[in-house]
Amino acid sequence: QVQLQQWGAGLLKPSETLSLTCAVYGGSFNVYYWSWIRQPPGKGLEWIGEITHSGSTNYNPSLKSRVTISVDTSKNQFSLKLSSVTAADTAVYYCARIIVVPAATLYYMDVWGKGTTVTVSS
Amino acid sequence: SSELTQDPAVSVALGQTVRITCQGDSLRSYYASWYQQKPGQAPVLVIFGKNNRPSGIPDRFSGYTSGNTASLTITGAQAEDEADYFCDSRDSSGNHLVFGGGTKLTVL
Repeated sequence: QVQLQQWGAGLLKPSETLSLTCAVYGGSFNVYYWSWIRQPPGKGLEWIGEITHSGSTNYNPSLKSRVTISVDTSKNQFSLKLSSVTAADTAVYYCARIIVVPAATLYYMDVWGKGTTVTVSS
Repeated sequence: SSELTQDPAVSVALGQTVRITCQGDSLRSYYASWYQQKPGQAPVLVIFGKNNRPSGIPDRFSGYTSGNTASLTITGAQAEDEADYFCDSRDSSGNHLVFGGGTKLTVL
């Protein structure tokens, strides 16, 4: 049973850099995409970006200038950095595994982390 | 287009059937997936692909896509189905993922 365990700082000041890590336990790391998603309080889900095991990335165009997603295959971990945070970045941040079947135009997130609440406040 | 549109709220009487829809041009090219989210919990995948349920998801959940509209149907809604439901898909380029705004389902 694959599990994602995520951690990182939960309270940031404006202009600081958000940093979260997600560890993958119990399954292969190398055949999936790995993604970060966030959810502001009382709002919907927002895709932040994704990375393959080889390090190829795709980012949400609205966040691309501030986001870096990286991977450490030796530890089966991937990480998120979001720079210059503001109060608008306050949200629950989730990591998730993406199953990709390009020939079937099929992408879906089958395993999610429990979420990390990040608050940006001065 | 990179938008997916969902009705903000839907209600259903206990035991009845409800359909939640998701509209977007990218659905003509990519399948939608559906996620259930209860308060304070992470989303859970309930439908993916043409009409596939992960292990453990009751068979009262089903999916269907026609044209630019994907639908999640709950046949015989239960009290425990009350939750927020989100669709997602790739955008038309295939390089980005987009979510619908979510539908709050109330079981009366």
